[in-house]
Amino acid sequence: DQQVKQNSPSLSVQEGRISILNCDYTNSMFDYFLWYKKYPAEGPTFLISISSIKDKNEDGRFTVFLNKSAKHLSLHIVPSQPGDSAVYFCAARWGNTPLVFGKGTRLSVIA
Amino acid sequence: DADVTQTPRNRITKTGKRIMLECSQTKGHDRMYWYRQDPGLGLRLIYYSFDVKDINKGEISDGYSVSRQAQAKFSLSLESAIPNQTALYFCATSDASRGAGGGPDTQYFGPGTRLTVL
Repeated sequence: DQQVKQNSPSLSVQEGRISILNCDYTNSMFDYFLWYKKYPAEGPTFLISISSIKDKNEDGRFTVFLNKSAKHLSLHIVPSQPGDSAVYFCAARWGNTPLVFGKGTRLSVIA
Repeated sequence: DADVTQTPRNRITKTGKRIMLECSQTKGHDRMYWYRQDPGLGLRLIYYSFDVKDINKGEISDGYSVSRQAQAKFSLSLESAIPNQTALYFCATSDASRGAGGGPDTQYFGPGTRLTVL
């Protein structure tokens, strides 16, 4: 049973526009959510996180929104840049358990 | 120098061979993890260790074993490799003091090992 779902395998966005990556989860016990970014031939790198007691966290061009009632979170990238082209993984955890990852969304930012 | 290193970076082997993938970290973290990545399947947890004396199975541990030789070293073994173990393997670490109810337990990943089993 997949607890963290990223239903869009890929997304294409024009440079300068907003990129919105979505993630749904089923486990209401999750208390932290994280986004990771992965370039080819590299390991995933941490991007931004949000606690379940918040509904928004912002870091520069990246903002994560959490809707607990809908069990949904999204990552907004504004403005999108070609260097943002990568695979983005949503992850979640609760208590002292390891992270659970989604399958990833490949973002392509077109110049 | 990288905080989390993995050796080898690439390995081609044959069915039935025993393979060991090694991971070392200089971040001083207590926790270490092994994941595999397959196209369309994301990152799946194989084993994890919260300290030197703690080893736990993850989602897909069958066919794998691990050894935590020291706080900084965590190795993954495939006792008898099979073709469907062809994948990208990632090691990761995290800080227990940040994870135990006090934070997101951010994991830091190594560069990965590409393993091909023929």
